[in-house]
Amino acid sequence: SSELTQDPAVSVALGQTVRITCQGDSLRSYYANWYQQKPGQAPLFVMYGKNKRPSGIPERFSGSSSGNTASLTITGAQAEDEADYYCNSRDSSGNHVVFGGGTKLTVL
Amino acid sequence: QVQLVESGGGVVQPGRSLRLSCVASGFSFTTYGMHWVRQAPGKGLEWVAVIWYDGTNRYSADLVKGRFTISRDNSKNTLYLQMSGLRAEDTAVYYCARMGTMTGFYGMDVWGQGTTVTVSS
Repeated sequence: SSELTQDPAVSVALGQTVRITCQGDSLRSYYANWYQQKPGQAPLFVMYGKNKRPSGIPERFSGSSSGNTASLTITGAQAEDEADYYCNSRDSSGNHVVFGGGTKLTVL
Repeated sequence: QVQLVESGGGVVQPGRSLRLSCVASGFSFTTYGMHWVRQAPGKGLEWVAVIWYDGTNRYSADLVKGRFTISRDNSKNTLYLQMSGLRAEDTAVYYCARMGTMTGFYGMDVWGQGTTVTVSS
């Protein structure tokens, strides 16, 4: 079982705002990273640290963290944002890496 | 451009061995740590192993510890995953990924396209 918990599925109307969350004890000490994966493609790195976007990631993507919960927010969701989203961090032992179970985002 | 290209996947019988390779280009491979991550059919991402830029530190997931070994050859810009004692549950797409510089060692900022391993008799 994963040490990071994500909702299996979330939906959002086109152009609206959606928040995808990730919960885990390690998030009290370490920032989560976020990845987007579309069907048949490799994951894409979309967020890290305290709300930092890698080059090329649209500004509508933002991140936040509070307590044991990290969030990825998409403000003004687009059809191309429909994908699976995964968070990751280090585990409680410190030397291993963990992923959340993933959230399937549907844009209606 | 920055690129990671995996190879070595295929169909293998349970109990047999396989070695995956990942060739890096477009960046200074010798200064980056590297990960292997896998994804079983229809499932989520699962971390497999990590190796530091100089090979001094290596860690692997409990599920593969003792069976899989991560290594690298910096002279060839190549990352490896030696897999032995393969089981049906090791069937997955295996991705190599570059360790991010600002993400903590657990972050991955560049991913390859993956190579598929199928363990079946």
